[in-house]
Order: sequence, then structure tokens, then C-alpha cells
Amino acid sequence: EAGVVQSPRYKIIEKKQPVAFWCNPISGHNTLYWYLQNLGQGPELLIRYENEEAVDDSQLPKDRFSAERLKGVDSTLKIQPAELGDSAVYLCASSPGLAGVNEQFFGPGTRLTVL
Amino acid sequence: QKEVEQDPGPLSVPEGAIVSLNCTYSNSAFQYFMWYRQYSRKGPELLMYTYSSGNKEDGRFTAQVDKSSKYISLFIRDSQPSDSATYLCAMSRDTGTASKLTFGTGTRLQVTL
Repeated sequence: EAGVVQSPRYKIIEKKQPVAFWCNPISGHNTLYWYLQNLGQGPELLIRYENEEAVDDSQLPKDRFSAERLKGVDSTLKIQPAELGDSAVYLCASSPGLAGVNEQFFGPGTRLTVL
Repeated sequence: QKEVEQDPGPLSVPEGAIVSLNCTYSNSAFQYFMWYRQYSRKGPELLMYTYSSGNKEDGRFTAQVDKSSKYISLFIRDSQPSDSATYLCAMSRDTGTASKLTFGTGTRLQVTL
């Protein structure tokens, strides 16, 4: 079974440019998360989707960040315009939503460098 | 002060050593405790989870939770070079997809030959 797929793996842009990250979750996983991981830190939740609905976007900086999950499968996270402080790894995770512990399956992440 | 504190390391041990990784937390509402392993350039993967206080063992790995002290540990026996990774503790108040995970900063472990 394929895991969570993210692309691109690496992205280098200049500040003020737009950038987009794509995520394909594990098949059948209705819940999708986007996390931000700064160097030497743990992941921090940006947004959670249940199917196509963003049910928790309280940590998403909405002035420059946006996300969508059309048709409740793939998701895209966008930053416009990017700032130097946005340099980080952006992780996508999905969950099968089974009873019990919320096991989240993470993708490899997109490493963003803003120059 | 962060809700979850974790020594960033790096921690270097020889192959075969017993490794102890720890986290402390301040929020007494946390009931579910997890350990994730993250290899370089990869996403985290769930190693173990425990509910409330107690021990849980899985092969060479043992997770311990002491809620009275707000302290959790992961022990790795007979450590192998393949255990070299960053270990993140995570915790949440409840279960289900809506439960927010709060992660520690991660401890980088290096197991040397």
C-alpha cells in the first residue's frame, strides 16, 4: 500500500513569490492534516480536513496561507506571498479515523527554502 | 514555557546500549501518549502509544508514563545503528481524528558501531 505522497520534495523560491504544495493521502483516509515543522522542532498543526471540509484551521495564517481539498482526496497548501520565516518542512498526514488512538501517517514532507 | 519539553540531544550511544528518551509536560489533561520516530528527510512514523499511566512493551521498545510526575519515557534495548533517528514524543487529551497532537521538539539519537 502506498503511503502519503507529497510533491515537490524540495522547493527554493525568493521571498514574495507564491508556492504550492501537493498531498495525496493514503487511499480511504478521510482525515488529512497539514503540519509545519521548523528545524529542531516538532510538527505543528496548520489545518485539518474531514473529507473536503476544513474543520480546524485555527492555526493557519490566513493572510498568506490557503488550503483546499477538492473532492475530499488530494490537498493543496499555498503560500502567497512567501516570507523568509516560512522556510520549513511542510508535512502532510492522513488518518483512517478508526476508533482508538489517532494514528496519523505522515508523508516525507516538502522542504521549503525562501531566499 | 512549552506544553511539552524534550531534550533535543544529540544523544550518542554505542551499539547494544540501552537508550532512555524522556519528555515532560505541563498539561494534566493529556491522557494519550505517543512516540514517533523520524528518520532524516522522512516524515514521522508512530512507534508506540500508551493511554494514561503505565508501561507498554513492543519488542526492544518500552514506553512508560507517569502521570503523577507528568513524565514519559521511551526505552530502547539492544540499540542498533538502524535506531539512529529523531524521536518525538506526542500527546493528546483524547482520541479520534479531532484530537490535537502536541509534539515535543524531538531527541536526535545516534547509535554508533
